Amino acid sequence: GAVVSQHPSWVICKSGTSVKIECRSLDFQATTMFWYRQFPKQSLMLMATSNEGSKATYEQGVEKDKFLINHASLTLSTLTVTSAHPEDSSFYICSARDLKGIQYFGAGTRLSVL
Amino acid sequence: QKEVEQNSGPLSVPEGAIASLNCTYSDRGSQSFFWYRQYSGKSPELIMSIYSNGDKEDGRFTAQLNKASQYVSLLIRDSQPSDSATYLCAVRRGQGGKLIFGQGTELSVKP
Repeated sequence: GAVVSQHPSWVICKSGTSVKIECRSLDFQATTMFWYRQFPKQSLMLMATSNEGSKATYEQGVEKDKFLINHASLTLSTLTVTSAHPEDSSFYICSARDLKGIQYFGAGTRLSVL
Repeated sequence: QKEVEQNSGPLSVPEGAIASLNCTYSDRGSQSFFWYRQYSGKSPELIMSIYSNGDKEDGRFTAQLNKASQYVSLLIRDSQPSDSATYLCAVRRGQGGKLIFGQGTELSVKP
């Protein structure tokens, strides 16, 4: 199957700092990428849909100024958590969709905000 | 009513048995159906996709779709302890739409 690389896999930061997470589709072009958040023992929560060359579409209740998404190329999308606080601590997972409509997931980023 | 429903489990089966995971969905316009496996602390990985009514087999896995009943299932034959994970059912209306996930079923395969 297709490979989606997500980096970093784990990050610890101080409250108030910003953290950038990268998501790359390594062997296919992804016009659409997705960002999810997952809390322990819960299912995936879609945060936003990222389309190459256009603004991201955020789900209801997700602060777009808090979670900045950029999809500058067909293989790269980034999520920046701005002014992170302890309540932003979570498991963030990106996903890329190939031309057949199949979604592949990155390995996830575990964010801990102190 | 949730858009995609799964029994949360845990579903416990002995090694070598058949594990049956079920999923129902509410949107009759759904066209694409997926099963993902997620190990604890890891991200989901695709197991099967199915688009037409009937069965689709891939190794020990069989996906079954019944659009009239709005029901999709995953059968795992000869279950192994390594199959112990949470299985997520995902449904999509069209190829360009977003996936709607169920809450997942936790499967435990006992040696």
